[in-house]
Amino acid sequence: DAGITQSPRHKVTETGTPVTLRCHQTENHRYMYWYRQDPGHGLRLIHYSYGVKDTDKGEVSDGYSVSRSKTEDFLLTLESATSSQTSVYFCAISGGGETGRTDTQYFGPGTRLTVL
Amino acid sequence: GQNIDQPTEMTATEGAIVQINCTYQTSGFNGLFWYQQHAGEAPTFLSYNVLDGLEEKGRFSSFLSRSKGYSYLLLKELQMKDSASYLCAVLNNAGNMLTFGGGTRLMVKP
Repeated sequence: DAGITQSPRHKVTETGTPVTLRCHQTENHRYMYWYRQDPGHGLRLIHYSYGVKDTDKGEVSDGYSVSRSKTEDFLLTLESATSSQTSVYFCAISGGGETGRTDTQYFGPGTRLTVL
Repeated sequence: GQNIDQPTEMTATEGAIVQINCTYQTSGFNGLFWYQQHAGEAPTFLSYNVLDGLEEKGRFSSFLSRSKGYSYLLLKELQMKDSASYLCAVLNNAGNMLTFGGGTRLMVKP
């Protein structure tokens, strides 16, 4: 499972509240990613990180911010949640081990977020 | 822009062979991935093609034609547990970002 955990696994919140999702990895992977998955849209990249304090936007970054203060943790924050952000959120990692290859991404178990 | 197309749904019979196609038009290309995703679970890595041709891994094979912007995933000797969604994804030139197609939901029937 590439040592990836996500927390919480399920969350129900109300519109306008802040929400933070956490992705934790234990194998010193360089790259970390946040995706959302919605019916009819597949997996879409929100933000990604290529190192501590190094992040960049993905395809659907509006309304989301991220932080990576240490290698093992990548946080996704919804500053003011909206119903359109109801989704399943997956974290992924790549670029680990001795080779440092970036290509293959491995996914965490996902967080199901419902915004009422 | 990025455009990756896969059929939305397919149905096949246990023991049969099924081919899931993926066509892509992307601004960069550094390889194509296939992932399997069972309902309610995370995607899991199946295969990676960067050169033209067929890669075989047990019951699963993946083919790539870069000139045609085309790939397929071939599943042989289908089992009920192969019922899942299959996701095609293209890696960008820098090798650090994937763009996914919408996924193909495969239903295997007895």
